[in-house]
Amino acid sequence: AQKITQTQPGMFVQEKEAVTLDCTYDTSDPSYGLFWYKQPSSGEMIFLIYQGSYDQQNATEGRYSLNFQKARKSANLVISASQLGDSAMYFCAIAPSFGNEKLTFGTGTRLTIIP
Amino acid sequence: GAVVSQHPSRVICKSGTSVKIECRSLDFQATTMFWYRQFPKQSLMLMATSNEGSKATYEQGVEKDKFLINHASLTLSTLTVTSAHPEDSSFYICSAVAGYNEQFFGPGTRLTVL
Repeated sequence: AQKITQTQPGMFVQEKEAVTLDCTYDTSDPSYGLFWYKQPSSGEMIFLIYQGSYDQQNATEGRYSLNFQKARKSANLVISASQLGDSAMYFCAIAPSFGNEKLTFGTGTRLTIIP
Repeated sequence: GAVVSQHPSRVICKSGTSVKIECRSLDFQATTMFWYRQFPKQSLMLMATSNEGSKATYEQGVEKDKFLINHASLTLSTLTVTSAHPEDSSFYICSAVAGYNEQFFGPGTRLTVL
């Protein structure tokens, strides 16, 4: 079984500052994929970034980067230069191997950007 | 990226009626689609895995006779909530697998059962 833990139910960050959203995971699978999704109030799930367990380098996508520490089983999302449009729910998720398999989500973090 | 649509986006029905939700991959073929449910202020929980041409695989605790899934083609999966009750009110989201490492979500369907 796989499990994702997000310990920050809510965060408030000043606009233009960087923010780190925490995510720890637990799995017995030898290979797995870690994902971050953004869910605005409209409800759609927006894919942000993916990290494979065997990837040597941390994933980056524009202002998003994933701080992957395998030994600590953590996969924190870093958003640089936050914008008002970043206000949303953020979910960390894990899949057994790759993104074509079922996802297990964490409980999410509600991020609010303050102007 | 690939586009997944859901219809309807919102539905209100009376208790005891059945509701069908469609999930379509618009510009790609998806042999696998997933159905998730999200209660207010909670996370997404996987309900079932839908595979084209075969029976759906349901997660533990999900009633397969209540939540009927049909994946009749490579671009369409349907979820039918049979004899809906107020406790079935939720946000239902589908996702479709586009390739080796890509899963795209639909915009979701908000079901309210009166």
